[in-house]
Amino acid sequence: AQSVTQPDIHITVSEGASLELRCNYSYGATPYLFWYVQSPGQGLQLLLKYFSGDTLVQGIKGFEAEFKRSQSSFNLRKPSVHWSDAAEYFCAVGGNQAGTALIFGKGTTLSVSS
Amino acid sequence: GAGVSQSPSNKVTEKGKDVELRCDPISGHTALYWYRQRLGQGLEFLIYFQGNSAPDKSGLPSDRFSAERTGESVSTLTIQRTQQEDSAVYLCASSLVGWGGTDTQYFGPGTRLTVL
Repeated sequence: AQSVTQPDIHITVSEGASLELRCNYSYGATPYLFWYVQSPGQGLQLLLKYFSGDTLVQGIKGFEAEFKRSQSSFNLRKPSVHWSDAAEYFCAVGGNQAGTALIFGKGTTLSVSS
Repeated sequence: GAGVSQSPSNKVTEKGKDVELRCDPISGHTALYWYRQRLGQGLEFLIYFQGNSAPDKSGLPSDRFSAERTGESVSTLTIQRTQQEDSAVYLCASSLVGWGGTDTQYFGPGTRLTVL
């Protein structure tokens, strides 16, 4: 079955500390992977995406993610978290067939402490 | 340019009433998706439109849900005889050509539906 698992429901990180949000996927075809961020009252904003090539992808706001096929993972990282990063983060997987809807994880809520 | 817009931003309705939610995609985007986000859950796919092709309705949870799209413009999602379990945020997304995961979906701010 196709699915995305985000094992951590809620994470609290100190401002300035590093961050890693976990994402594991199960997908029967070549996966295309995404991370979205949702701030309160806002729509989803695309942080980064992986289609092919270099397995370490850079995104906006200083985020990066690494695709590890052997581990079926696509973890999101940031070296130094800012208070404005507090939000909900969603990992999603899609395929290369026409009209493939994205399959989302349940999200990880990030809180940033001062 | 303008992003995906949705209206209303909030809708409170009584159980049994019909509601209509609207989505304006990014101009030029041929693909349009509706998702539902229940509290504490990820997004659930509802329906997908691609140009003038027949929509993919495989995610609609019941026959109370329907959606229409006029050409490559506005879409409306209609929920008939609303139930309390329909309470959720309904998100619309559009993409340029809709060809699978390589085509980035851009999301609107959503409509928060509360069924009393």
